[in-house]
Amino acid sequence: GDSVTQMEGPVTLSEEAFLTINCTYTATGYPSLFWYVQYPGEGLQLLLKATKADDKGSNKGFEATYRKETTSFHLEKGSVQVSDSAVYFCALSEAGTALIFGKGTTLSVSS
Amino acid sequence: GAVVSQHPSWVICKSGTSVKIECRSLDFQATTMFWYRQFPKQSLMLMATSNEGSKATYEQGVEKDKFLINHASLTLSTLTVTSAHPEDSSFYICSANREGRDNEQYFGPGTRLTVT
Repeated sequence: GDSVTQMEGPVTLSEEAFLTINCTYTATGYPSLFWYVQYPGEGLQLLLKATKADDKGSNKGFEATYRKETTSFHLEKGSVQVSDSAVYFCALSEAGTALIFGKGTTLSVSS
Repeated sequence: GAVVSQHPSWVICKSGTSVKIECRSLDFQATTMFWYRQFPKQSLMLMATSNEGSKATYEQGVEKDKFLINHASLTLSTLTVTSAHPEDSSFYICSANREGRDNEQYFGPGTRLTVT
């Protein structure tokens, strides 16, 4: 079945550092790909998404490109802030079905 | 933007009692809603898919008689944890599929259940 694998955390960075969180997937069809963020004690918020190969999702300085050839959707940000500290989940969904999540990566940014 | 609410946001109950959690899509209709469970510092695991007007589809290993799901309208799905036990303590999150938007799922803020 479909699955999502993302890098283990925690990821600890200094403010203004470059961030990459790796995410790869396996799918039988042509899924949409997502990154969600969860701040402490809160629910999930959609960060960005891409619905087809070569699409780039972006939001709040975060970017991820749907790479079909490498089945990847790595999350990047050029300069992280303390306020970016959260848990990040990579996920996929075939049309209309439930999301399949990776295990989550905790990001901790210090000033 | 689309908003999904959950009520209550947190609840504490005693072992053996039942707890109902509501998930509402506030400004759109949702034929399909999903219920997830999240243990501390872990990912979300799909429990069941809730379809308006029909029986929910449960994932393998999820007890349908323990986790009762009712999707009585296009804007409301409920999850009832029956005869709750401490091991049912968890963070329960719902999401709703927005009609007409492929893969556009909106998440509720979650409900933290603690069973004592």
